[in-house]
Amino acid sequence: NAGVTQTPKFRVLKTGQSMTLLCAQDMNHEYMYWYRQDPGMGLRLIHYSVGEGTTAKGEVPDGYNVSRLKKQNFLLGLESAAPSQTSVYFCASSYSSSGGKNTGELFFGEGSRLTVL
Amino acid sequence: GQNIDQPTEMTATEGAIVQINCTYQTSGFNGLFWYQQHAGEAPTFLSYNVLDGLEEKGRFSSFLSRSKGYSYLLLKELQMKDSASYLCAVMDSNYQLIWGAGTKLIIKP
Repeated sequence: NAGVTQTPKFRVLKTGQSMTLLCAQDMNHEYMYWYRQDPGMGLRLIHYSVGEGTTAKGEVPDGYNVSRLKKQNFLLGLESAAPSQTSVYFCASSYSSSGGKNTGELFFGEGSRLTVL
Repeated sequence: GQNIDQPTEMTATEGAIVQINCTYQTSGFNGLFWYQQHAGEAPTFLSYNVLDGLEEKGRFSSFLSRSKGYSYLLLKELQMKDSASYLCAVMDSNYQLIWGAGTKLIIKP
C-alpha cells in the first residue's frame, strides 16, 4: 500500500523555468491538497480539490496551477519559477465521512524539495 | 481573521512529561487536530478532538476547551524519538484545516 506518492523528491530550477509536481494516492480519497512549508511559517495551502475534475484556490495560489483529471492524481504546476517558490511542497489526501464531509485526517506524501536559483 | 498560536520551541527531559499548548481563533469549528512531524519527514496524524475533554491514546493525550479556544497535547514518559515538531490545526466552518506554525520539541537525555 503506497499511500501518497510525490515525484520528484528533489528539483533545482532556474528562475523562469516551468515544472510539474505529480501526486498520486491509492486510497480512493476524495480530497487532495498541495501545501508548501517554509521555516517558521507552518503549512500553507496552495490549491486543493474536493473531487475529480474540481480544484479550488487556497491561501497562497499565485504562481501555481493545478489539475485533477483523475481521482488518484493531483498535479501542481509552476508556470515561471521564482526564487520565492523555493520551498518544501507536500501533497496530502483525506477521505469523507459518512455524511460527505472532510474528516480532516490528512495523509501526506514524503515531500518535494524545490530550489529556484 | 483566523489564527492559531503555539510555542515555537520547547525542551524536555527523557522520561518526563511535557504539555504543548495551542490557542485558536477561527471562523467556525469542526474539530482540532494534532500532527507530528519529524525533521525532514511528512506530518503524521496524532489526534482529533471535537468535543470538550481529554482524549487519551497511549502515551499521548489531547485536551480541548471550545469555550476557551484552547487545546493541549500531553506527552508522557518522553522518549528520544518524540523529538519532533507538533502541529496544531483547526477545521473551520468550510471544513478546511487552518494550521499553526508548529512547536519544535527537543528531548534531552
